[in-house]
Amino acid sequence: SQQGEEDPQALSIQEGENATMNCSYKTSINNLQWYRQNSGRGLVHLILIRSNEREKHSGRLRVTLDTSKKSSSLLITASRAADTASYFCAPDGGATNKLIFGTGTLLAVQP
Amino acid sequence: SQTIHQWPATLVQPVGSPLSLECTVEGTSNPNLYWYRQAAGRGLQLLFYSVGIGQISSEVPQNLSASRPQDRQFILSSKKLLLSDSGFYLCASTQGQSGETQYFGPGTRLLVL
Repeated sequence: SQQGEEDPQALSIQEGENATMNCSYKTSINNLQWYRQNSGRGLVHLILIRSNEREKHSGRLRVTLDTSKKSSSLLITASRAADTASYFCAPDGGATNKLIFGTGTLLAVQP
Repeated sequence: SQTIHQWPATLVQPVGSPLSLECTVEGTSNPNLYWYRQAAGRGLQLLFYSVGIGQISSEVPQNLSASRPQDRQFILSSKKLLLSDSGFYLCASTQGQSGETQYFGPGTRLLVL
């Protein structure tokens, strides 16, 4: 298992703007997952992208994966104040049953 | 989908006291179970995971231990708490195959004084 590293550490935007968060990892993966954590709560799964996929959409979320650069990005379009949360990526190499989470990106959407 | 229950939600304990945090899972059988700790404003640190009853893997050396007495029950314990044990403890569950979603409980906030 390996840890993803999210960038930036913190991001502040206005409501209605788009938010882009990045994730880098070091070794090959089977898939990569993105999670969201509201303050003081557990993590919630957002989306999973497999290693043979380049882009995936779910509502206002768009995830891309570039396995040659070992990176992924999460785009939230038309952000809302309710999107304020920490976002974590979890690369899954498939060899173990563990997901290792990084320190996340703290997104603040100002109303 | 699975539902993860954790209790208590908040706990304040003196240094040197024992600890027992419980996690139970609904909606699945034979899950993989995980304990994470999150310090304030930080990422998640994987503490323990279990692939079955009585099977515990420890990720980092520490003052804590874990047990899995039943298929859907995971317990985090300590005999003597340290100040550094303060944090937000999260239990998670998955079916264990690559690509399976991890479901998280609501967490227990522990403050050791």
